[in-house]
Amino acid sequence: QSALTQPASVSGSPGQSITISCTGTSSDVGGHNYVSWYQQDPGKVPKLMIYAVSNRPSGVSDRFSGSKSGNTASLTISGLQAEDEADYYCSSYTSSRLVVFGGGTRLTVL
Amino acid sequence: EEQVVESGGGLVQPGGSLKLSCAASGLTFSDYWMHWVRQVQGEGLVWVSRIKFDGSETSYADSVRGRFTVSRDDAKRTLYLQMNSLRAEDTAVYYCARDQIPGSGGSPGDYWGQGILVTVSS
Repeated sequence: QSALTQPASVSGSPGQSITISCTGTSSDVGGHNYVSWYQQDPGKVPKLMIYAVSNRPSGVSDRFSGSKSGNTASLTISGLQAEDEADYYCSSYTSSRLVVFGGGTRLTVL
Repeated sequence: EEQVVESGGGLVQPGGSLKLSCAASGLTFSDYWMHWVRQVQGEGLVWVSRIKFDGSETSYADSVRGRFTVSRDDAKRTLYLQMNSLRAEDTAVYYCARDQIPGSGGSPGDYWGQGILVTVSS
């Protein structure tokens, strides 16, 4: 199974909004609503930020939002803060009854 | 405290075997699929395997299918990953994670273990 495609890096200034894309196929992102997003600081355990395309777990800031259009899912972070700097990964359930992650995106807050 | 804790990692020679355990405490275990995810240092997350809440269904990434076996003991609230015919490329930190939605199996959720290092080297 091929990894989902994410940009290697994105950046933004404090207060701005950024969007990270996650592109798959009709067999994963486009065909299922089990798309999740994770935040990972270096050396730390991944933290779930969004599940089922657009749902936030309890305790996650409402500055984080998720959406999907066709075969591409997106994570938007509004009001960017220095603490948001981290690696972000998307994942999706697939029609082969597997799960696949994206390659990850490094977010830099300028 | 709600947590999952992995154990059983370590150094093993190529071709060898290792069994990882993941013990859950303080959180519901039996209604959820469980996942194994691994990460090579400096690289991205890679999904490895999952098991249904009742143990009746399992799935594996192509890279480990036929070599790894996932199982669970709900009475002990413990998840396992039996890893056989290990290769150097299996060297990684292995995480166990509970699925997010009861019964769904669609994605690792908000309870992850701290990770356990498996090193395959002679």
